[in-house]
Amino acid sequence: GENVEQHPSTLSVQEGDSAVIKCTYSDSASNYFPWYKQELGKRPQLIIDIRSNVGEKKDQRIAVTLNKTAKHFSLHITETQPEDSAVYFCAASRRNTDKLIFGTGTRLQVFP
Amino acid sequence: EPEVTQTPSHQVTQMGQEVILRCVPISNHLYFYWYRQILGQKVEFLVSFYNNEISEKSEIFDDQFSVERPDGSNFTLKIRSTKLEDSAMYFCASRYQETQYFGPGTRLLVL
Repeated sequence: GENVEQHPSTLSVQEGDSAVIKCTYSDSASNYFPWYKQELGKRPQLIIDIRSNVGEKKDQRIAVTLNKTAKHFSLHITETQPEDSAVYFCAASRRNTDKLIFGTGTRLQVFP
Repeated sequence: EPEVTQTPSHQVTQMGQEVILRCVPISNHLYFYWYRQILGQKVEFLVSFYNNEISEKSEIFDDQFSVERPDGSNFTLKIRSTKLEDSAMYFCASRYQETQYFGPGTRLLVL
């Protein structure tokens, strides 16, 4: 069935360092890949997304890369700040069903 | 900026009771969803809704669950006879183009 795997489950970095979170999806028909940030007790907030016709997308300190052949996509956060600390979820969907299949989440801690 | 809203923020109920969770999607959105998140776990899809009918539902969304759009603004999730394992955070979402916007969630605790 449809599945999204996410690694690592926890990630600790020093402020200013980079953080990379990786996801692998199983459904080759997936064509939309959003990333959500969830702070404790709050709603998931979209931070960046990428569509299958694009290999990379960047928004200030955040970038996402997509390798459709390998069915991998990754989130890159540069110059991390303590306020980046949260749980990050990757997700995948395909246009004709549009439900989001979420990864298991990565708890990112940025230490000052 | 418009946001999806949900009420109540917390709901405590006894096993076997019915609960109704309410959502107000963003006004010009046409696609609506319910997801749930058991504490410490990932977000799981329950159901999608478009044009006043269910588009897709997951295995979790059994006969105890139902959704309704009773008027032009509200979107509800009803659980007819709650079970202990229904305890979770329930998120409503609405979609514009491909982006889904989540509400703040309702934390449901079944005792």
